[in-house]
This record gives sequence, C-alpha cells and structure tokens, in this order.
Amino acid sequence: NAGVTQTPKFRILKIGQSMTLQCAQDMNHNYMYWYRQDPGMGLKLIYYSVGAGITDKGEVPNGYNVSRSTTEDFPLRLELAAPSQTSVYFCASSYSTSVTGEQYFGPGTRLTVT
Amino acid sequence: EDKVVQSPLSLVVHEGDTVTLNCSYEVTNFRSLLWYKQEKKAPTFLFMLTSSGIEKKSGRLSSILDKKELFSILNITATQTGDSAVYLCAAHPFNQGGKLIFGQGTELSVKP
Repeated sequence: NAGVTQTPKFRILKIGQSMTLQCAQDMNHNYMYWYRQDPGMGLKLIYYSVGAGITDKGEVPNGYNVSRSTTEDFPLRLELAAPSQTSVYFCASSYSTSVTGEQYFGPGTRLTVT
Repeated sequence: EDKVVQSPLSLVVHEGDTVTLNCSYEVTNFRSLLWYKQEKKAPTFLFMLTSSGIEKKSGRLSSILDKKELFSILNITATQTGDSAVYLCAAHPFNQGGKLIFGQGTELSVKP
C-alpha cells in the first residue's frame, strides 16, 4: 500500500494563478481531509469528505474548493491564489468506523504564492 | 467554539532530561484525544486516549488524560536528540465526520 500520496511536493504560484493539489489514498478509507499548516502553527482543517460525492467546510475554507468523485481521490483547488495561501498542505484519510480517530497523513505539499 | 491549547509552545532541553507537554481542550461531544509527532514532514500517530487516568506507554513516552479537568499530558523520559520534533495534540469529537481539532503544537528541541 502506498498509503496517502500527494502531488506536487513543491509549487510556486504567482498571485491570481490557480492550481489543483492532488491527493489519493489506497486504503479504502471513507473519510478524507485537507489541512494547512502555517509556520509554528498546528493544523487547520480546510475541507473534509465523509464519502464520494459528500464534502463539507472546515475552519478555513475561503479561497479553496474540493470535489470527491471517487473514494480514492480528494483534490483541492485553489482559485486566484493569494500570498495568504502560502503554507504547507496536508491531505489525510481515516476509516469511518475508526474508534481511535487516527488519521493517516500524506507527505505534504509546500506552496508559495508570490 | 471548540479549541485545543498546548503549552509550552517551544522547549529546549538536554539529552537525558525528562519533559512534560501539556494539552487542554474545550470540545463539545468529546470522544478521544490523540497525540502526534511531526518531524519536518507529515505527523505520525503516537497515542489515543479515551478514558481518564489510564496511562498509555510506548517506550520512553507516556500519556494520560483527565476528562474532569479537560487536559492531557505527554511525558518523555531520558530524552534523546531523535525526540526533537513538534508534538501535536488533537481532540476527536463524536459525530463530526472523523474531524480532529488540533492544538498549535509544542516544538521540542533536544540538545546533545
């Protein structure tokens, strides 16, 4: 199992550009999440999904969009990138029936908007 | 609003020292508390706690939860340079799609 994979690892965007961060998992997890982590801070939830076709906002959804057409994939779309979106983005997944609540994280995408 | 607060935010110790990291929470429908270790990459899972007063141990790391006072501690004994990392705690509420509410993390630096 590859676990949770994310692409790209690094990206530099100019202000106003758009891009999609890719996330895939091969563990057949129903739940998937997108977080951002700013320097010296914890993880802030952007969006999450409890299954294909179902998504919901987290704490900091403004400036982002998501879709979940399959169980495996959960892409995050940035429209009109702004410097405030410079951050490290983590995708995670978990079992819907998990008692522990443990989430499995991808390696992250480091995004810089200049 | 649900929140998780960690202290201290950063800590510098020498090898062999014992450290205690703190995590307090105010979360509606609290289910469990999780600890993660983050070393310049993705967080990795350490512990999950659901019951008050029951210590979880893994080697030199241990953790305990107090559901009356709404906090948890993570202890690391005989610290090593490899323990240098950011330690994150997160609250897991019921019925919120598996969401975790993270604290801001404690950055631990262990000097030789």
